[in-house]
Amino acid sequence: EIVLTQSPGTLSLSPGERATLSCRASQSVSSSYLAWYQQKPGQAPRLLIYGASSRATGIPDRFSGSGSGTDFTLTISRLEPEDFAVYYCQQYGSSPQFTFGPGTKVDIK
Amino acid sequence: EVQLLESGEGLVQPGGSLRLSCAASGFTFSSYAMSWVRQAPGKGLEWVSAISGSGGSTYYADSVKGRFTISRDNSKNTLYLQMNSLRAEDTAVYYCVKDGSIFGVVIGYFDYWGQGTLVTVSS
Repeated sequence: EIVLTQSPGTLSLSPGERATLSCRASQSVSSSYLAWYQQKPGQAPRLLIYGASSRATGIPDRFSGSGSGTDFTLTISRLEPEDFAVYYCQQYGSSPQFTFGPGTKVDIK
Repeated sequence: EVQLLESGEGLVQPGGSLRLSCAASGFTFSSYAMSWVRQAPGKGLEWVSAISGSGGSTYYADSVKGRFTISRDNSKNTLYLQMNSLRAEDTAVYYCVKDGSIFGVVIGYFDYWGQGTLVTVSS
């Protein structure tokens, strides 16, 4: 099973700042099959990024994903008030055992 | 508009059974693989099970293998999860999710999520 580690656990930033979230895999994620999700309190998660760098439908271009192998990054170029949430990475390259990271909480400084 | 509506929420004793349903609309249901993902209270996300668009292939997390059964009725646009031998650690919100693949096979990222249904296993 591929284990995902996310850092930092919590990121405290102000609106307008840049957020950089890290996701590291215990072994290489094949074909860059890595997704990112956003979850707000009391809501279901929402897909942001798939294939490490492809934005999902309707996702603003301030969200971008990068990386390959074992190291992946989600960047939010300028935080909007609605971006404060928990972010999860997920690998789907090790089919069919799909795993999620523990999450990074982005909160208001 | 894609909609996924779960039902079957409930409180069940350890060792008991429960069946969850998910009514899908807004897309050609039989053309897409589907999964269940769960989230224990205050915890992260855990993939539980997946099924191909035809229903011919099913997959399970090791934590539920042999206890849970995923199925689908494409004539009713409905996904199911039969949960047997339930344990306290199965307590979670269960989300019905649509797979991102357009070929009916399970690829494993999830582009639409239901609002979830709560399963509580407790005596």
